[in-house]
Amino acid sequence: AQSVTQPDIHITVSEGASLELRCNYSYGATPYLFWYVQSPGQGLQLLLKYFSGDTLVQGIKGFEAEFKRSQSSFNLRKPSVHWSDAAEYFCAVGKGSQGNLIFGKGTKLSVKP
Amino acid sequence: GAVVSQHPSRVICKSGTSVKIECRSLDFQATTMFWYRQFPKQSLMLMATSNEGSKATYEQGVEKDKFLINHASLTLSTLTVTSAHPEDSSFYICSARIYGRVRSYNEQFFGPGTRLTVL
Repeated sequence: AQSVTQPDIHITVSEGASLELRCNYSYGATPYLFWYVQSPGQGLQLLLKYFSGDTLVQGIKGFEAEFKRSQSSFNLRKPSVHWSDAAEYFCAVGKGSQGNLIFGKGTKLSVKP
Repeated sequence: GAVVSQHPSRVICKSGTSVKIECRSLDFQATTMFWYRQFPKQSLMLMATSNEGSKATYEQGVEKDKFLINHASLTLSTLTVTSAHPEDSSFYICSARIYGRVRSYNEQFFGPGTRLTVL
């Protein structure tokens, strides 16, 4: 069965430091992979997506993610974190003919001044 | 583009009443919309998949008679929580998939969510 694992429940980084959020997936075919961000009490905003092609994907707000098939990973990175990046981050994999998404449990990012 | 709205953003109701939540795609047509439920500090749990003009497909464990879904047009889906109880209090989020965009087959655009509190 398809699944998504985000090993880190909560990460705290200093403003200006680099960030990497981990995501591992289990999927039998080439996956469609997504990273979403959710601010408190808000819906989800798409940061970036991978369907095929270049394995390094650029997203909004300076985020990027790299698809590594050999490691079944799609880690999210940002070279320099801003205080406004504090939020909950969800990795998701697309499955099925209906286009359902399976979400990881999320990683909460806190940013220290 | 690809904006999804939800109404209301927040609702408080008494136990036993029914509450309707609307999900609209504002600038695109959506043949498929999804309804999620999110408990505090937890991930999104898919409740049902709603296809325009047909019955919704509910995930295992979701009571279809309690959570009524209607997708009457390509831009509107509604979720009605019938005879609501305090345990139905949650954050409900809808999403929509753009009609005809095959390459982005799984991409979903999310609404801002509706906070339901049942007293």
